Amino acid sequence: DAGITQSPRYKITETGRQVTLMCHQTWSHSYMFWYRQDLGHGLRLIYYSAAADITDKGEVPDGYVVSRSKTENFPLTLESATRSQTSVYFCASSDQGEKLFFGSGTQLSVL
Amino acid sequence: QKEVEQNSGPLSVPEGAIASLNCTYSDRVSQSFFWYRQYSGKSPELIMSIYSNGDKEDGRFTAQLNKASQYVSLLIRDSQPSDSATYLCAVRGISGGYQKVTFGTGTKLQVIP
Repeated sequence: DAGITQSPRYKITETGRQVTLMCHQTWSHSYMFWYRQDLGHGLRLIYYSAAADITDKGEVPDGYVVSRSKTENFPLTLESATRSQTSVYFCASSDQGEKLFFGSGTQLSVL
Repeated sequence: QKEVEQNSGPLSVPEGAIASLNCTYSDRVSQSFFWYRQYSGKSPELIMSIYSNGDKEDGRFTAQLNKASQYVSLLIRDSQPSDSATYLCAVRGISGGYQKVTFGTGTKLQVIP
């Protein structure tokens, strides 16, 4: 089906473990984004990508790594998970970088 | 000062009434303004965009923009219980090469049957 999909939907991990959240879109949108959403903070941009092989930091990039070798995929890796990274993570895509289409989100718990 | 500010609510309105949601932003050169709706446990969904001063209507929704006052609002006419959700204001500013979109923390709307 066309659209943007995230996996997994739920993830529980332990502090210090590496975790990768997946994001795949079928629209061939140029822009892709990773946001985290926390109570009281709203949506905060972690990383974004304007095209394949082009990524840049957002507001809260520390502790996260991204890559974009193909236009359709934009995985987010937590290299060594911490409890403060417990959050809901949303991937989004956009053709021109302003009207964002969001995936269904990944609820991550770091114990 | 937050870049995009919204009252967190909840804003409670009776069914059939007009709901008025407000948003202020700090970057005076912002160009594009958006309203997203987010149901509990779901992802945000774009419902309105506005780029120039004045009103823009789409069905029961009206977005209003006043760049001089740095103010954006969303009016929902004939509010329905299905409109109960959190409404996120988003602003596209200027920050280096890519003009990033910044979100407010959202206003929770409750429509009472």
